[in-house]
Amino acid sequence: GAGVSQTPSNKVTEKGKYVELRCDPISGHTALYWYRQSLGQGPEFLIYFQGTGAADDSGLPNDRFFAVRPEGSVSTLKIQRTERGDSAVYLCASSLSTPSSYNEQFFGPGTRLTVL
Amino acid sequence: GIQVEQSPPDLILQEGANSTLRCNFSDSVNNLQWFHQNPWGQLINLFYIPSGTKQNGRLSATTVATERYSLLYISSSQTTDSGVYFCAVARSGNTPLVFGKGTRLSVIA
Repeated sequence: GAGVSQTPSNKVTEKGKYVELRCDPISGHTALYWYRQSLGQGPEFLIYFQGTGAADDSGLPNDRFFAVRPEGSVSTLKIQRTERGDSAVYLCASSLSTPSSYNEQFFGPGTRLTVL
Repeated sequence: GIQVEQSPPDLILQEGANSTLRCNFSDSVNNLQWFHQNPWGQLINLFYIPSGTKQNGRLSATTVATERYSLLYISSSQTTDSGVYFCAVARSGNTPLVFGKGTRLSVIA
């Protein structure tokens, strides 16, 4: 079946602009995660959704970052007043949310954001 | 929070050689995953292995949860194995993954 998809694959914007990044999880996966990966580093957690609600947003760096998942499927990560330091690859992952502890996460191809 | 340390940070192998990558973590976990990040940046799932041993072709992994480490074995390495290998853990089932810094593997012909 289809994996996690993310659009756009690349986004170049100017400092101060607003951007939206989209994630389409694997069908039936109720848990959705956003991570950010800077060059030479491992991915770092931003926010996690269980269904429509944000279960943990402790990784968001500041209030310029916001994410929604209004219908419990597609999610959008929104960044206001972008700064050059926001440049990174933004990764989305999804997993089944089962009563058992089996919750393997599957990642999308990422969106490479460049802020000029 | 949980700390994840991977070693070695860099590894260069001749094609056909075997290697072992290590992941140490600082607390008990219910999720441990190994990924290969290919040159295009895609994270490819290798193993979901919070405990025990699994094998998939030339790759195998072992996690000793009580001693808080996991090992990834690559046998008969090929140039296509090149890339960055990440270990990631989570304390409980649905919580976010904490990644190590990765091991950058280069396999030369």
